[in-house]
Amino acid sequence: EPEVTQTPSHQVTQMGQEVILRCVPISNHLYFYWYRQILGQKVEFLVSFYNNEISEKSEIFDDQFSVERPDGSNFTLKIRSTKLEDSAMYFCASGTGWYTFGSGTRLTVV
Amino acid sequence: AQKVTQAQTEISVVEKEDVTLDCVYETRDTTYYLFWYKQPPSGELVFLIRRNSFDEQNEISGRYSWNFQKSTSSFNFTITASQVVDSAVYFCALRAYGGATNKLIFGTGTLLAVQP
Repeated sequence: EPEVTQTPSHQVTQMGQEVILRCVPISNHLYFYWYRQILGQKVEFLVSFYNNEISEKSEIFDDQFSVERPDGSNFTLKIRSTKLEDSAMYFCASGTGWYTFGSGTRLTVV
Repeated sequence: AQKVTQAQTEISVVEKEDVTLDCVYETRDTTYYLFWYKQPPSGELVFLIRRNSFDEQNEISGRYSWNFQKSTSSFNFTITASQVVDSAVYFCALRAYGGATNKLIFGTGTLLAVQP
């Protein structure tokens, strides 16, 4: 069964550093998403991406976040200057009608 | 505004007991989708079920069953004869049908601990 692949599974970064989280969506999907889950809390929508542009974003998705589909297969989330409160599990998802979630990247900012 | 409430933060049961996880939602949309996801300790989100608002039939899948009641805006999830492997956080989620948004709104989750 097709999967959404996220790399790395765990990333540790220093506060203030830039980090890029990578995702390979399912190949024929048209919509791509990033969600965030702070430890012990609910899963929260960050951004959706369709037709090479952001279709919707949440209040969390401020100027320090950006998304890109640099080629035909990858979908990335960049955090420009990480803060301690960015520590969370980040889930990528893709879907045309329904979502398939990746297994997540646990980001730890120290 | 859309909202999902899972009032039970933690439930602990002994193996083989039945357990029901509650989910209450709010939406102004007349058509929408409801979901349940399982998040085991390893952290991934495992899709369990999707239900659309115009199909109120209850569903059973093995030991799992779902009770959708539009009149009370509830979409409850029952595990029959629980097993230790059912221990996880369970999330209920809501999504609009069509329109400009297709984001999922998650509840805060219910941590289910099944003791041997």
